[in-house]
Amino acid sequence: DVKVTQSSRYLVKRTGEKVFLECVQDMDHENMFWYRQDPGLGLRLIYFSYDVKMKEKGDIPEGYSVSREKKERFSLILESASTNQTSMYLCASRGGGQDQETQYFGPGTRLLVL
Amino acid sequence: QKEVEQDPGPLSVPEGAIVSLNCTYSNSAFQYFMWYRQYSRKGPELLMYTYSSGNKEDGRFTAQVDKSSKYISLFIRDSQPSDSATYLCAMSDGNAGNMLTFGGGTRLMVKP
Repeated sequence: DVKVTQSSRYLVKRTGEKVFLECVQDMDHENMFWYRQDPGLGLRLIYFSYDVKMKEKGDIPEGYSVSREKKERFSLILESASTNQTSMYLCASRGGGQDQETQYFGPGTRLLVL
Repeated sequence: QKEVEQDPGPLSVPEGAIVSLNCTYSNSAFQYFMWYRQYSRKGPELLMYTYSSGNKEDGRFTAQVDKSSKYISLFIRDSQPSDSATYLCAMSDGNAGNMLTFGGGTRLMVKP
């Protein structure tokens, strides 16, 4: 089974703090993704990475950055947290071959910015 | 207009009912279709995956794709309280990095 883990299930941070969300996958997948999920807005893609040290902006990259130093790990960074970044953050990974369309999700990190 | 539309619900049904969940889409290039199930405060998990038009069955679940109508469905037979979750449809055109486009999700409640 594909396993995607996220470093925290719940986080509470203060406005202006730098926040790190980490994601690890154990299936040697090339592609990894960060989404945020908000009621009524569904899943929105923040950033994705198709290889180590490679990254591409998604639909809503403003206020975020990412890091992929190792294939299995993809980090999302909130440079200066703001209250409008309170959300559920989901990491996903995707392999290749016949499974190249399917993304596998982690359990999510629920972030509250005060 | 969103690229993928999904009724947010909630949809409330009695245990044992047949449930029909649906998505419509506007991009005729979509050819890969997925259904994810998301329990409260958890990440989405892949439930069904289909390519192009047709039906696919897995236990109590049947996924149906009608590309001519740009309409996909997920049927759940003999629904159980454990099926209570949010169901997300997702689709891809197989190009441009194989990005997924998600529907907003339908919340389903199956009452005992």
